[in-house]
Amino acid sequence: ETGVTQTPRHLVMGMTNKKSLKCEQHLGHNAMYWYKQSAKKPLELMFVYNFKEQTENNSVPSRFSPECPNSSHLFLHLHTLQPEDSALYLCASSHASGGPQETQYFGPGTRLLVL
Amino acid sequence: QKEVEQNSGPLSVPEGAIASLNCTYSDRGSQSFFWYRQYSGKSPELIMSIYSNGDKEDGRFTAQLNKASQYVSLLIRDSQPSDSATYLCAASNSGYSTLTFGKGTMLLVSP
Repeated sequence: ETGVTQTPRHLVMGMTNKKSLKCEQHLGHNAMYWYKQSAKKPLELMFVYNFKEQTENNSVPSRFSPECPNSSHLFLHLHTLQPEDSALYLCASSHASGGPQETQYFGPGTRLLVL
Repeated sequence: QKEVEQNSGPLSVPEGAIASLNCTYSDRGSQSFFWYRQYSGKSPELIMSIYSNGDKEDGRFTAQLNKASQYVSLLIRDSQPSDSATYLCAASNSGYSTLTFGKGTMLLVSP
């Protein structure tokens, strides 16, 4: 398998459920990202991991909990979500460098609906 | 507040024409700029990246960067109906920094 993969591709959950989104990259990258994409809004960065260490958390509510066990895998644990959290959740990866931003490559996304 | 601005469109062009997509950014420290194409219901895919002032060409695509004016553009020559998508502009100022995305411009190429 190549590139960036995400599972599940679609998810419907109630507000009291707990679920997890999974992302895996096969590109040898060492930085991974979670984004949220809602209708008519720009892509919103949620979390950044460089070499398994979280380097950014853009004021994301605690009902979203990321986990990065190694440079190839990234999870987003979800609990007690709200209907407004319904969106496309995108994972991306890149090389990490101290110079100009390396290109980020996106996974296919998980379409989440919270009822 | 770092911002990237794009006209939401839709930008409508006939097949074979040149499509011109524009983007401005607020952070003068931005060094890296990216154009992504996103088809409806799909994830963004990279079209072009540009780091230096001037033009960068790749096939039918040309990215243009003017740091003094804080302006980035993407030209698509010989537009095809398959180019119909939303084009996202993004900017970043360092390797560990985040990408700031614009809302995207929808391009419609009519046969």
